[in-house]
Amino acid sequence: EAGVAQSPRYKIIEKRQSVAFWCNPISGHATLYWYQQILGQGPKLLIQFQNNGVVDDSQLPKDRFSAERLKGVDSTLKIQPAKLEDSAVYLCASSPRLAGDVGELFFGEGSRLTVL
Amino acid sequence: SQQGEEDPQALSIQEGENATMNCSYKTSINNLQWYRQNSGRGLVHLILIRSNEREKHSGRLRVTLDTSKKSSSLLITASRAADTASYFCATEMQGAQKLVFGQGTRLTINP
Repeated sequence: EAGVAQSPRYKIIEKRQSVAFWCNPISGHATLYWYQQILGQGPKLLIQFQNNGVVDDSQLPKDRFSAERLKGVDSTLKIQPAKLEDSAVYLCASSPRLAGDVGELFFGEGSRLTVL
Repeated sequence: SQQGEEDPQALSIQEGENATMNCSYKTSINNLQWYRQNSGRGLVHLILIRSNEREKHSGRLRVTLDTSKKSSSLLITASRAADTASYFCATEMQGAQKLVFGQGTRLTINP
């Protein structure tokens, strides 16, 4: 079974530029998460989708971050304009669960963003 | 804010020794999970323990949960160099269908 795919793996941009990350979850997984992991810290949830609907985006900086999950499959996370503090690894995870507890999350390898 | 806090932040031991990491959390949970992250990689699920369970084993891993103290521990027995990684606890709070991760413990196994 193919895992969670993310691209690009690495991205370097200047501040105030824009960037987009793509995630393709495991086939059939209904729930998709985007986490931000700053160096030396644990992952912080940015947004959670169930199918193509947003369940939780309470920690997403909506003035600069946006995310969508069209057709309930793959997802894109966009940052515009980027700030220095956005330098982090952006992790995508998926879960087959729709109801009940969260269960195990399956993570991709992450997209490492450096903002100069 | 982070729900779980791991202790210690960093741990360095000799190969073959046991490694113990602790996690404390603040609010009632449905379950608690442990994940491993190798440098530059994504997180890998290790084990899930539900709020009504006290202990769980998986190979060389042993997880305990004390809901009265709001704490959990992860024990890795007979450590190997390949166990070098960061370990994170993640909690699913009651009423919130999402995982909140702690800051992690960086484990180094010296050959």
